[in-house]
Amino acid sequence: EVQLVESGGGLVQPGGSLRLSCAASGFTFSSYEMNWVRQAPGKGLEWVSYISSSGSTIYYADSVKGRFTISRDNAKNSLYLQMNSLRAEDTAVYYCARMVYSKSGKTNYYYMDVWGKGTTVTVSS
Amino acid sequence: DIQMTQSPSSLSASVGDRVTITCRASQSISSNLNWYQQKPGKAPKLLMYAASSLQSGVPSRFSGSGSGTDFTLTISSLQPEDFATYYCQQSYSTGVTFGGGTKVEIK
Repeated sequence: EVQLVESGGGLVQPGGSLRLSCAASGFTFSSYEMNWVRQAPGKGLEWVSYISSSGSTIYYADSVKGRFTISRDNAKNSLYLQMNSLRAEDTAVYYCARMVYSKSGKTNYYYMDVWGKGTTVTVSS
Repeated sequence: DIQMTQSPSSLSASVGDRVTITCRASQSISSNLNWYQQKPGKAPKLLMYAASSLQSGVPSRFSGSGSGTDFTLTISSLQPEDFATYYCQQSYSTGVTFGGGTKVEIK
């Protein structure tokens, strides 16, 4: 069964750090691009970060750039999100999501087809 | 950044109703548009990709259309399990963005 399981969430004080993990199983993790997406309480979905299958290409949302670092260990089938200088507005459920694409002619259409159940991060004093 | 605007933000409908949700992009995104369903306390679930392609396992009552800046998700006959929040998402740019969501509630 294809599965993503997040862990590492918790309560942290403003300015603190936290490292989230996402364990992948049931597919060849090293072949897939991955994302972190978050959802603040009662709010919509917000993309956080992207990493290519090899880890050579990385993108961040402006809201986390310079504070968060995405990484992966393909040997351990794991995705990570190092979160530093945390703020109250980072409080959210954090999901990892697999990204795949469908090819039509010369165009690749990307979408997130597998999601974990999420891990909750609360930033509060 | 490409902004995605969904409407309505919420709607009330009855079982068996035809429901249409719209999503507008702030610039042309071709057909790089996906739809997700999310139920309370659960992770999002992919429904449609590339604007009109149905994800495997998703009931055929769901359909999507549009290209450029205007897109729609249609549920042809609303079922009890379809009451949820629906999000559109553009994958045209490297920083993907989601719409604000449309909550479908029971009338």
